[in-house]
Amino acid sequence: KAGVTQTPRYLIKTRGQQVTLSCSPISGHRSVSWYQQTPGQGLQFLFEYFSETQRNKGNFPGRFSGRQFSNSRSEMNVSTLELGDSALYLCASSLERGSSPLHFGNGTRLTVT
Amino acid sequence: GNSVTQMEGPVTLSEEAFLTINCTYTATGYPSLFWYVQYPGEGLQLLLKATKADDKGSNKGFEATYRKETTSFHLEKGSVQVSDSAVYFCALRQLGAGGGNKLTFGTGTQLKVEL
Repeated sequence: KAGVTQTPRYLIKTRGQQVTLSCSPISGHRSVSWYQQTPGQGLQFLFEYFSETQRNKGNFPGRFSGRQFSNSRSEMNVSTLELGDSALYLCASSLERGSSPLHFGNGTRLTVT
Repeated sequence: GNSVTQMEGPVTLSEEAFLTINCTYTATGYPSLFWYVQYPGEGLQLLLKATKADDKGSNKGFEATYRKETTSFHLEKGSVQVSDSAVYFCALRQLGAGGGNKLTFGTGTQLKVEL
């Protein structure tokens, strides 16, 4: 069974641009969550989607947004990029909410210059 | 709010040494507790979990016991190998609709195992 797939693996963007990251969950998984990992702040929860609806949101500005499609694939978008948005963005999928283990992808490394 | 506190790293051990990585948490109710491991250039892998007080999670020689009285979930392994070198994260998930799949992570502890 294929794991969680995140694309692209690496991205370099310039301040002020926007970026879209993609996540394909494990087949059959309906919940997708996004996390930001930085050396300074560690792992922080961004948002969670289940059945195409955002179910939970972390403390990030509105520049960070996401969506989930009917096939459970998810995208997150960051607009007006800032240097501080440079991070590893991790996607995790699970069968259900709140009880199933989370399976993480290898992440997208975003560098903002 | 919820929080997880882990011991600072890096932790450097010789192969076959005993490992303990401390983890304590603050949360309301009875959260589920997890240990994840991250190898260089990779995402997080679930190492073990415990969902209620006194549960012991175990996997690949690692184990941790959910201690509600001390709000702790310390990770232990009796004999580490070089291949265990990685960053270890303790995390909690709040039960109920408010928790969902939102995990609160500790800062991570880097483990280096030398021959």
